[in-house]
Amino acid sequence: EAGVAQSPRYKIIEKRQSVAFWCNPISGHATLYWYQQILGQGPKLLIQFQNNGVVDDSQLPKDRFSAERLKGVDSTLKIQPAKLEDSAVYLCASSLVQGGNTQYFGPGTRLTVL
Amino acid sequence: AQSVTQLDSQVPVFEEAPVELRCNYSSSVSVYLFWYVQYPNQGLQLLLKYLSGSTLVESINGFEAEFNKSQTSFHLRKPSVHISDTAEYFCAVSMGGTSYGKLTFGQGTILTVHP
Repeated sequence: EAGVAQSPRYKIIEKRQSVAFWCNPISGHATLYWYQQILGQGPKLLIQFQNNGVVDDSQLPKDRFSAERLKGVDSTLKIQPAKLEDSAVYLCASSLVQGGNTQYFGPGTRLTVL
Repeated sequence: AQSVTQLDSQVPVFEEAPVELRCNYSSSVSVYLFWYVQYPNQGLQLLLKYLSGSTLVESINGFEAEFNKSQTSFHLRKPSVHISDTAEYFCAVSMGGTSYGKLTFGQGTILTVHP
């Protein structure tokens, strides 16, 4: 069974530029999550989708971050414009259902904002 | 709101020695508890989880964790560590209600096993 796929693995941009990350969850997984992991900290949930609907985006900085999950499969997370403090690893995870079911994580995208 | 505290940011230990990584959580409702491991340059992998039932849960590679409701803890232990256990370990909590499924992570504990 293929795992969660993410691209790109690394991205370096200058502040005020825009960037997009892509995630392909495990086939059949209804729930998709985007986390931000700043160096030295644990991952923090940015947004959670159930199929193509948003369940929780309370910690998403909506003035600059946006995410979509068209057709309930792949998802894209965008930052526009980027700030220096957005430098982090962006992790995508998926699970079969919500709740106690295991979340499977992708390898992450490491973003550096200069 | 739920929160997780990992009491040690770094734990150095010699090979074949026992280790305990400490995790405390705060929540006013029932929770699910998880330990994830992150090897260098890899994604997070589930190590073990507590959902219900027996308070002692085990992983396939010799780790175990015990859910202690009265002390709101979920410490991770291994009686004898290997070099290959060197990694960063994250404790996480999930609870029901509107936050169902959302994981709140601790800050991580870096376990370094020395020969």
